[in-house]
Order: sequence, then structure tokens, then C-alpha cells
Amino acid sequence: EAGVTQFPSHSVIEKGQTVTLRCDPISGHDNLYWYRRVMGKEIKFLLHFVKESKQDESGMPNNRFLAERTGGTYSTLKVQPAELEDSGVYFCASSHQATRSTDTQYFGPGTRLTVL
Amino acid sequence: GNSVTQMEGPVTLSEEAFLTINCTYTATGYPSLFWYVQYPGEGLQLLLKATKADDKGSNKGFEATYRKETTSFHLEKGSVQVSDSAVYFCALSATSGGYQKVTFGTGTKLQVIP
Repeated sequence: EAGVTQFPSHSVIEKGQTVTLRCDPISGHDNLYWYRRVMGKEIKFLLHFVKESKQDESGMPNNRFLAERTGGTYSTLKVQPAELEDSGVYFCASSHQATRSTDTQYFGPGTRLTVL
Repeated sequence: GNSVTQMEGPVTLSEEAFLTINCTYTATGYPSLFWYVQYPGEGLQLLLKATKADDKGSNKGFEATYRKETTSFHLEKGSVQVSDSAVYFCALSATSGGYQKVTFGTGTKLQVIP
């Protein structure tokens, strides 16, 4: 069974440009999460999809970030326009269940975003 | 809100040394606790978990015990190997609004030298 995949693995862009990150969850997982780790800090929650619906987007930093999950399969996270403070590693995770604290989330390798 | 505090790294050990990475948490209710590991160039992998007080999670020689009285979940390994070099993240999982919410610590980088 394939794991969570993310594309690209690295992205270097100039301030003001647009970047779109993609995440393909494990097949059959209804729950998809985006997280971000800014250098040396904790991994912070951004948002949670249940199928194609945003269940919780309380962690999205501002309206420059737009996440979509059309059809409830893969998801994209667009940053427009990118700012320097958006640099970091963006992780995607998926899970089959998400209603219990014991549920396990499976993570992708992350996308390292550098904004110059 | 919930929070996780783990010891700052980097931690450098010689091969076969004993490892402890401290992790404490603040949470209401009864969270589950996890350790994730990120090897160089790879994504986060679940290392072990414990879902209730006094539970011990273990995997690949690593252990951690859920201590409610001290709100801790310290990671230990008796004899580390070079291949254990990685970043280790302590995490807390609780339900909020009917759904799981995971809170991570800052990560501790471990370097094991031959």
C-alpha cells in the first residue's frame, strides 16, 4: 500500500510569487491534514479535511493560504502571494478514522518551501 | 490549550549509550501520547504510542511510559545505534469538537557517533 506522497519535495520561490503544494493521501483515508514546521519550531496544525469538506481550518495563518480537496482525494495548498515567513516544511498526513485520540495519522515526507 | 514541551537538542551520544529524551505535556482530559521520528530525508513515522495512564509504548528498542502524575512521556533506549540518528517529536492527541487534534513538541535532534 502506498503511503502519503507530497509534491514537490522542495520549492524555492521569490517573495510575492505563488506556490502550490500537493498531497496524495493513503487510498481510502477520508481524513487529510496539513501541518507546517518553521525552522526549529514545533510542527503546527494548519487544517483538517474530512473527505472534501474543511472540518477545521483554525490553524491557517491568514488568507494568503488556500487549501482545497476537490472530490475528496488529493489536496492542494496554495500560498499566494508568498512571504518570507512562509518558509518551512509543510507536512501532509492522512488517517482512516479521526474521532478518537488514539487514531494514528500517517505522514508524508513533507515539502520544504523556501521564500527568498 | 494543550501543549507539549520536549528537551532541546541537539543530543549527541556515542554508539551503545543510553538515551533519554524528556517530554512533558499540558492537557485537559485524557489524551493519547505519541513519539514520531523523522530520519534524514524522510517523513514522520510513528515510533510508538500510549493511550492511557501507565501504558508503555515500545518499538525498535525504544520505550516510553505514560505518566499521568508527572504529565510526562519520556523516550528511552538502552543502547543507541548510528542508525537511530534522527529528529524525534513528542506529540499529544486529544479530541476537540468530536475530532482528533494533534499537538507536537519542537523536536529533538539526536546524533549518534560511532
